[in-house]
Amino acid sequence: KAGVTQTPRYLIKTRGQQVTLSCSPISGHRSVSWYQQTPGQGLQFLFEYFSETQRNKGNFPGRFSGRQFSNSRSEMNVSTLELGDSALYLCASSLAGDSNTGELFFGEGSRLTVL
Amino acid sequence: AQSVTQPDIHITVSEGASLELRCNYSYGATPYLFWYVQSPGQGLQLLLKYFSGDTLVQGIKGFEAEFKRSQSSFNLRKPSVHWSDAAEYFCAVVGRNNNDMRFGAGTRLTVKP
Repeated sequence: KAGVTQTPRYLIKTRGQQVTLSCSPISGHRSVSWYQQTPGQGLQFLFEYFSETQRNKGNFPGRFSGRQFSNSRSEMNVSTLELGDSALYLCASSLAGDSNTGELFFGEGSRLTVL
Repeated sequence: AQSVTQPDIHITVSEGASLELRCNYSYGATPYLFWYVQSPGQGLQLLLKYFSGDTLVQGIKGFEAEFKRSQSSFNLRKPSVHWSDAAEYFCAVVGRNNNDMRFGAGTRLTVKP
């Protein structure tokens, strides 16, 4: 079974631009979560989607948004990029629903550098 | 408030020595508990998890962890560390009725030859 796939793996943007990151979950997984990882703040929860609906949201500004499609694939978008948005963005999928055990399966991440 | 504390930011051990990484959590009820490992530039890989039952859980790569309810702890152990174990280790908790997983700050493990 294929794992969680994130694209692109690496990207460089300049301040003020916007970026879209993509995540394909493990087949059959209906929940997708996004995390931002930086050396100073560690792993911070961005949001979680289930059945195309945002179920949980972390404490990030409105510049960070996401969505989930009917096939469970998810995208996250960051608008008006700031230098501090440079980070590794990790996507994780889980079964959710009645089979939920809370276990997350992570992709390898998208490394965003903002210049 | 829900939180996870990993008191040790960086630990150095010699190859072959034993290892214990500490994790304490604060949660309203007993959550699900996890340990993940992250190699440089990679995503997180699950080492082991605790849901219920036996409080000593075995994981991959020879790791084990013990859940102690009275201490709100879930410490990770390995009897003999290998050089390939050098990585960052994260303790995580998630409620039994939600998908909002919270992570500790991580412990970076260095293995000396």
